[in-house]
Amino acid sequence: AQRVTQPEKLLSVFKGAPVELKCNYSYSGSPELFWYVQYSRQRLQLLLRHISRESIKGFTADLNKGETSFHLKKPFAQEEDSAMYYCALSGSARQLTFGSGTQLTVLP
Amino acid sequence: DADVTQTPRNRITKTGKRIMLECSQTKGHDRMYWYRQDPGLGLRLIYYSFDVKDINKGEISDGYSVSRQAQAKFSLSLESAIPNQTALYFCATSNLAAPSTGELFFGEGSRLTVL
Repeated sequence: AQRVTQPEKLLSVFKGAPVELKCNYSYSGSPELFWYVQYSRQRLQLLLRHISRESIKGFTADLNKGETSFHLKKPFAQEEDSAMYYCALSGSARQLTFGSGTQLTVLP
Repeated sequence: DADVTQTPRNRITKTGKRIMLECSQTKGHDRMYWYRQDPGLGLRLIYYSFDVKDINKGEISDGYSVSRQAQAKFSLSLESAIPNQTALYFCATSNLAAPSTGELFFGEGSRLTVL
């Protein structure tokens, strides 16, 4: 079975502060990990994926197989980063399993 | 961007009624999915289809059925709606030929309330 855990339902930070959204996963094989984002009044959309090793909108995420984590980080949060963030895992069944989501609020 | 379109966007119904949520896509993708979103639970997979003849149950398929009428259309039915099926439902698509299985393209969601 594959499982994704996001321990924080809500997270608030001030503008310019670093932000880290936590994601832990359970999967026996080699997973593909993703972060999805849903801005207010917009569709859920892919933010980044671990295989690309890219930085999108200043966000990065590193897959740590030892800790089974895929935390999302940004050194300086902006107000426009306020959104719901979902961590997701794709395993051998080729299904995408989502975590419960973290609502990030960046305060002015 | 109306590549993935869901109808209706909002629906209020009564317990025991049959409800159909429809999804159509113009992206030419082979794979289509239905998820439901509940506060604190995230998105959970109901059914998915890798092509017209391939329908698979997801994590929470009980009480739901689907129909893949064409590559572009994937409908979700609640044969006899119950209040705990009140949720926001999302349709999504993905490209079989994509290098990754995890890039899904979502519709805007259908909010269903069962009284």
